[in-house]
Amino acid sequence: QITLKESGPTLVKPTQTLTLTCTFSGFSFSSTGVGVGWIRQPPGKALEWLAVIYWDNDKRYSPSLKNRLTITKDTSKNQVVLTITNMDPVDTATYYCAHTYKSGWYGVDSWGPGTLVTVSS
Amino acid sequence: IQLTQSPSFLSASVGDRVTITCRASQGISSYLAWYQQRPGKAPKLLIYAASTLQSGVPSRFSGSGSGTEFTLTISSLQPEDFATYYCQQLNSHPLTFGGGTKVEIK
Repeated sequence: QITLKESGPTLVKPTQTLTLTCTFSGFSFSSTGVGVGWIRQPPGKALEWLAVIYWDNDKRYSPSLKNRLTITKDTSKNQVVLTITNMDPVDTATYYCAHTYKSGWYGVDSWGPGTLVTVSS
Repeated sequence: IQLTQSPSFLSASVGDRVTITCRASQGISSYLAWYQQRPGKAPKLLIYAASTLQSGVPSRFSGSGSGTEFTLTISSLQPEDFATYYCQQLNSHPLTFGGGTKVEIK
């Protein structure tokens, strides 16, 4: 059974850097094709894909946020970390991490419960 | 690749047949997934590869299409199906989502 859980601050100030950690179980980056992505959802709005990292360390970012995003993985800890620099109130959202595959064929099949991050001074 | 869902809002009754459309701005073969999101919850994968039902998902859900036009059909709407539905293309990065379709009780 795959489980994921997001952790990090619930409140950050404008211009600060947000660091979110996704801790997972039930799969490993040792498995070919595995990926962990980050998706966010502002209150009352649609889902937005942010970034993904795959088992081979291939990293892909949303073009609209690419300059502000960094995704890394720690295979030994079963964790993926997303950092977003220069946070702004428009970045207030629920942030989800999720399990997927590089092939894209199988969708995003497991999601964490999400963590709400508020950006405010 | 942009995904356009229609309608954005849908009012229906229990037992109704419901169809949601997702159009891609360019061809994505069958690399399309559908998700259900209930209020305050994470999205749940319903269908992948445009028409393959995820394990554990009721058979009243079905998906079809390829290329640029896709549909999600709920054959007989149940009370627990009132939620927001999203499509997502996984053909090429960035892996974009549609704007969502909210299904509410009539």
